[in-house]
Amino acid sequence: EAQVTQNPRYLITVTGKKLTVTCSQNMNHEYMSWYRQDPGLGLRQIYYSMNVEVTDKGDVPEGYKVSRKEKRNFPLILESPSPNQTSLYFCASSPFPTSGGPTDTQYFGPGTRLTVL
Amino acid sequence: AQSVSQHNHHVILSEAASLELGCNYSYGGTVNLFWYVQYPGQHLQLLLKYFSGDPLVKGIKGFEAEFIKSKFSFNLRKPSVQWSDTAEYFCAVNLISSGSARQLTFGSGTQLTVLP
Repeated sequence: EAQVTQNPRYLITVTGKKLTVTCSQNMNHEYMSWYRQDPGLGLRQIYYSMNVEVTDKGDVPEGYKVSRKEKRNFPLILESPSPNQTSLYFCASSPFPTSGGPTDTQYFGPGTRLTVL
Repeated sequence: AQSVSQHNHHVILSEAASLELGCNYSYGGTVNLFWYVQYPGQHLQLLLKYFSGDPLVKGIKGFEAEFIKSKFSFNLRKPSVQWSDTAEYFCAVNLISSGSARQLTFGSGTQLTVLP
């Protein structure tokens, strides 16, 4: 089954304790992206990656890091989490440019609810 | 920077009522447009998308949207809603003629509640 998986689904941590949220897709998609969803703000893009070893900042990259060493994986790293990073995080993937343009239909993971105390 | 506005934050309808959710974006370049739906406790799913061609786009579950370039709008419609349409709806825009062509910008979402 084609899917995007994220782990963990729920995480409660404390300020300053480094954490990693994993994202993996089995569709051989080139493009992967991380979003955070906050009430009233919709989804905001954190980082995206066009392919292995190619990453770029989205709208709200501060406090986050990513890496893309393999095509299927795109982990999100919070080196020193703070309470303002409490949010619902979604990973997404899509094929690289088709006739539709650079970001074709994105397939979203189930989300990771992060609470930073 | 591009922005996407969804002016209706919460819409409450009775079953069988008609639905129209507004979406406006701020940039005049070439765009790809999407509507995603998020059912309670689930992840986002694509409802429909517009890349080019016929500005009236039909999606899944009886939804459609019309791209009106002169109004920078991409409103979502459904002639008769069902209780199962209760969800949050997000409009998203990808500017394919700008330096940030690989970013997807979402609106803040509209919560639709359909009363049985």
